[in-house]
Amino acid sequence: DIQMTQSPSTLSASVGDRVTITCRASQSISSWLAWYQQKPGKAPKLLIYKASSLESGVPSRFSGSGSGTEFTLTISSLQPDDFATYYCQQYNSYFLTFGQGTKVEIK
Amino acid sequence: EVQLLESGGGLVQPGGSLRLSCAASGFTFAGSAMSWVRQAPGKGLEWVSGISGSGGGTYYADSVKGRFTISRDNSKNTLYLQMNSLRAEDTAVYYCAKLKRGVNEPYFDMWGQGTKVTVSS
Repeated sequence: DIQMTQSPSTLSASVGDRVTITCRASQSISSWLAWYQQKPGKAPKLLIYKASSLESGVPSRFSGSGSGTEFTLTISSLQPDDFATYYCQQYNSYFLTFGQGTKVEIK
Repeated sequence: EVQLLESGGGLVQPGGSLRLSCAASGFTFAGSAMSWVRQAPGKGLEWVSGISGSGGGTYYADSVKGRFTISRDNSKNTLYLQMNSLRAEDTAVYYCAKLKRGVNEPYFDMWGQGTKVTVSS
């Protein structure tokens, strides 16, 4: 199985900060990567697919980049609603795997 | 309104069985590949199983292969997960999720609210 490793595991930031989360794959996955946001007690929400395509309705402050084995999710200016846990997910093969998550906390 | 509504979770003893259901509405269910994804308490997301829109293709994580069976009834717009030989490590919230672009691009654009499964004696 393809292993996905996110860093950092926890991130403390303030409203207005630029935030970057990294996701690394154990082998090349081309651009077959999605990002999700999850708030406590809620289902995940799709933010980004195919590494850099913004899902409809998602604010433009979210962006994704990367290919191969290294990917990033960037929030250009952190808003109060963005404090949550973020997961990457590879779909290079149907044996889908997620990163362990990055929790974005209020500093 | 586009919606996925899971049911069937609960407390079950180790070795027991449970069947989860996911009722879909607001989109063309028969044309949509679906999956189950679970989340153990305080842990991350784990893909469990997937099925094509027709039901002809099914996929399983190694951790559940041989114990869980995914199926669907397109006439009822419902997805199922039959879980047998349950273990403590199967304790989790189980989400059904819709694939945005089918089995060739298996990522999820819609999720249910989840149903909780607890395996304990």
